[in-house]
Amino acid sequence: AQSVSQHNHHVILSEAASLELGCNYSYGGTVNLFWYVQYPGQHLQLLLKYFSGDPLVKGIKGFEAEFIKSKFSFNLRKPSVQWSDTAEYFCAVNGGTDKLIFGTGTRLQVFP
Amino acid sequence: DTEVTQTPKHLVMGMTNKKSLKCEQHMGHRAMYWYKQKAKKPPELMFVYSYEKLSINESVPSRFSPECPNSSLLNLHLHALQPEDSALYLCASSARTGVSEQYFGPGTRLTVT
Repeated sequence: AQSVSQHNHHVILSEAASLELGCNYSYGGTVNLFWYVQYPGQHLQLLLKYFSGDPLVKGIKGFEAEFIKSKFSFNLRKPSVQWSDTAEYFCAVNGGTDKLIFGTGTRLQVFP
Repeated sequence: DTEVTQTPKHLVMGMTNKKSLKCEQHMGHRAMYWYKQKAKKPPELMFVYSYEKLSINESVPSRFSPECPNSSLLNLHLHALQPEDSALYLCASSARTGVSEQYFGPGTRLTVT
């Protein structure tokens, strides 16, 4: 069965610090990978996605993620976070089926 | 327009009530989904509709009954719910299942008393 692991449950950073959130999945076949963000009181929004091609994908708001197939990883990065990045971040995987499997989420708090 | 709308935003219902949640999208998407999200947890898939046909039911209790009247609308009929069913119910849509990203609505905050 597919599963997604996000090992960072709660991350606290100061503004301008760099961010990397880990995401590992277990599935041996072709995968589609996503990062979603849920700002306080708002709905889930797609940050970025990977289907195929260049393993380094860029998303909205300066986020990027790198797909490393050999490590089954899809880590999210941002060089310099802002207070407005405070949110819950979910990694999600789809192995070509109808199901989107979410990780447990990482709560990011950014202090000014 | 990448918007999925859901009504109502909030719903409080007793355990003997019957109510419905509604979801609508006008992106021409042919797959629609219902998820349940508890506080500080990821969304859990409940149902998937593909081309207006139910393709996945994740062993959801029969007190939850989905309906897809047409390609733009998705309903979730609720009957005889339990307090533990209180949660945020999210609707999502995608161009089709399997290989396209899902767009989520704002959810309906359901409280069962």
